[in-house]
Amino acid sequence: QSVLTQPPSVSAAPGQKVTISCSGSSSNIGNNYVSWYQQLPGTAPKLLIYDNNKRPSGIPDRFSGSKSGTSATLGITGLRTGDEADYYCGTWDSTLSAEVFGGGTKLTVL
Amino acid sequence: EVQLVQSGAEVKKPGESLRISCKGSGYSFTTYWISWVRQMPGKGLEWMGTIDPSDSYTNYSPSFQGHVTISADKSISTAYLQWSSLKASDTAMYYCARRLMVTPERRWFDPWGQGTLVTVSS
Repeated sequence: QSVLTQPPSVSAAPGQKVTISCSGSSSNIGNNYVSWYQQLPGTAPKLLIYDNNKRPSGIPDRFSGSKSGTSATLGITGLRTGDEADYYCGTWDSTLSAEVFGGGTKLTVL
Repeated sequence: EVQLVQSGAEVKKPGESLRISCKGSGYSFTTYWISWVRQMPGKGLEWMGTIDPSDSYTNYSPSFQGHVTISADKSISTAYLQWSSLKASDTAMYYCARRLMVTPERRWFDPWGQGTLVTVSS
């Protein structure tokens, strides 16, 4: 059971938009910044979003992040088959004194 | 280019010891902490612990405290994850990742190593 809750899977057609939610509590998302990671099949995770909504150099603006209260959301527009991957949210949990991740969401581009 | 390169896949028997490595390059190794993350087959990411390579201060997840040891040798820009007695349940992919922290509330992992697959089987 992960500290952060994500839907197990989401799907959408190429060119469409999808959102992935990440729900937590005041001890984690509520008082800390959220990052998102993309894990393509058979590869290591890669930083997609940091500080709730910032994109590292090289990440296209099709990817966006937001946070409200104790929840965060990753948005992906203009979906491509190459976006099929597992997506994880992460943050610090002040009560557990631990880095925590969501359980991951598998994105399928139909 | 900032990168973390991990040691190769390992196949071990239960009860054996193991140390895997993570070598940083392209940045000042002692400026950023290194974390280890476990991913069991078909499962999600689990943070195991973090080390400050400048003084080898470590912070472990309660779930892994006492089961693994994280260390670093700053002279060769390398962090390690080791087990003294492996179990079948340690079979997983292990990733190292550089932890960036602007403030305690603002932290993230970038980049990640390519992963080391550890298989423990009799």
